[in-house]
Amino acid sequence: AQSVTQLGSHVSVSEGALVLLRCNYSSSVPPYLFWYVQYPNQGLQLLLKYTSAATLVKGINGFEAEFKKSETSFHLTKPSAHMSDAAEYFCAVSGTGRRALTFGSGTRLQVQP
Amino acid sequence: GAGVSQSPSNKVTEKGKDVELRCDPISGHTALYWYRQSLGQGLEFLIYFQGNSAPDKSGLPSDRFSAERTGGSVSTLTIQRTQQEDSAVYLCASSLVLAGGTTDTQYFGPGTRLTVL
Repeated sequence: AQSVTQLGSHVSVSEGALVLLRCNYSSSVPPYLFWYVQYPNQGLQLLLKYTSAATLVKGINGFEAEFKKSETSFHLTKPSAHMSDAAEYFCAVSGTGRRALTFGSGTRLQVQP
Repeated sequence: GAGVSQSPSNKVTEKGKDVELRCDPISGHTALYWYRQSLGQGLEFLIYFQGNSAPDKSGLPSDRFSAERTGGSVSTLTIQRTQQEDSAVYLCASSLVLAGGTTDTQYFGPGTRLTVL
């Protein structure tokens, strides 16, 4: 069975501050891990994915995430928040035995001016 | 190129009516997924199609839900005798299937917002 836990349903940062969104996974097989972003009234857009290559993954819009097997974590970071980063962020996991994505509950990011 | 498209974008129906939701995947994507996004349950997997294989229906919440994929392309999700708890955003995604059978990145459509009165 696979699952992801996102700590913090709401995160608020100031513009220019570090963004850190937390995701921990549970998987009985080597996982594929994803971060998706959802802007209001839109579908999900892929930010980045980990598929067992480099453990530090760089994505779009300046985001990156590091796969840490020892901590079963895949936290999303961005050095400097921008107002346009305000959205909901979802961590997801899949594996070779299950094609469908299992999503976390999401974290809503607010960026204060 | 064109992304995943879904229709209608919004659907309001009365309790007990049947509804059909449509998904047009990205051309060439042989894998297609349906998910549901609701306030109480978050994002949930419903059903997965890959090529001519039998679909993975393990996420369908009840036998009122069914889906088909005609010609390996367009898919229709049907909800019979709708209930108020079916109100949600229904998202479709598609992906390539890579050598070895693993699926590539899933690309999502904008969703259909279903409201059951």
